[in-house]
Amino acid sequence: RKEVEQDPGPFNVPEGATVAFNCTYSNSASQSFFWYRQDCRKEPKLLMSVYSSGNEDGRFTAQLNRASQYISLLIRDSKLSDSATYLCVVNMDTDKLIFGTGTRLQVFP
Amino acid sequence: DTGVSQDPRHKITKRGQNVTFRCDPISEHNRLYWYRQTLGQGPEFLTYFQNEAQLEKSRLLSDRFSAERPKGSFSTLEIQRTEQGDSAMYLCASDNANTGELFFGEGSRLTVL
Repeated sequence: RKEVEQDPGPFNVPEGATVAFNCTYSNSASQSFFWYRQDCRKEPKLLMSVYSSGNEDGRFTAQLNRASQYISLLIRDSKLSDSATYLCVVNMDTDKLIFGTGTRLQVFP
Repeated sequence: DTGVSQDPRHKITKRGQNVTFRCDPISEHNRLYWYRQTLGQGPEFLTYFQNEAQLEKSRLLSDRFSAERPKGSFSTLEIQRTEQGDSAMYLCASDNANTGELFFGEGSRLTVL
């Protein structure tokens, strides 16, 4: 089993749609969880951290389910500018941060 | 610019040659990471440092790969006897220990002919 798994997509959604991504992780001892965004031919950048209680930042909501070992990202009212690859990141039992393969989102007019 | 910088941005080399990449992290960050990324994949962990100490190295890395961070500031990643399979984007990142946020450089793209 991969340490961090994501559906690679692509997810093709119209503007204004709500879309959700899930990510599963293998190490039950993991403590830190993040979602990063990567635009084509650019470096990854932090979108948001994921806290145990869940967190929201504008149109973006991240949640953690420790029992089932997955995290999720919900994007409401999708914009064309949300088109990117969304990377799930989890720490292992050290400070090593492992990335998933990424989920590609394409928002169309 | 006080972000993470990497050099060179692009490197084309022939199979069998050695290449070296340099990374200058954000000055106050004491952890530095190297990742490799190929098309359609997420960044793959290679190694990381806390100050000058190399704390972990991926089992996927062959002996041809070596990384150093001699003074706990900049880091180098050397690939000896390059192979075509080494062609990838090599990403360096440093992190803020308080938040765990990784800040990436723009990467060094390696093409092995």
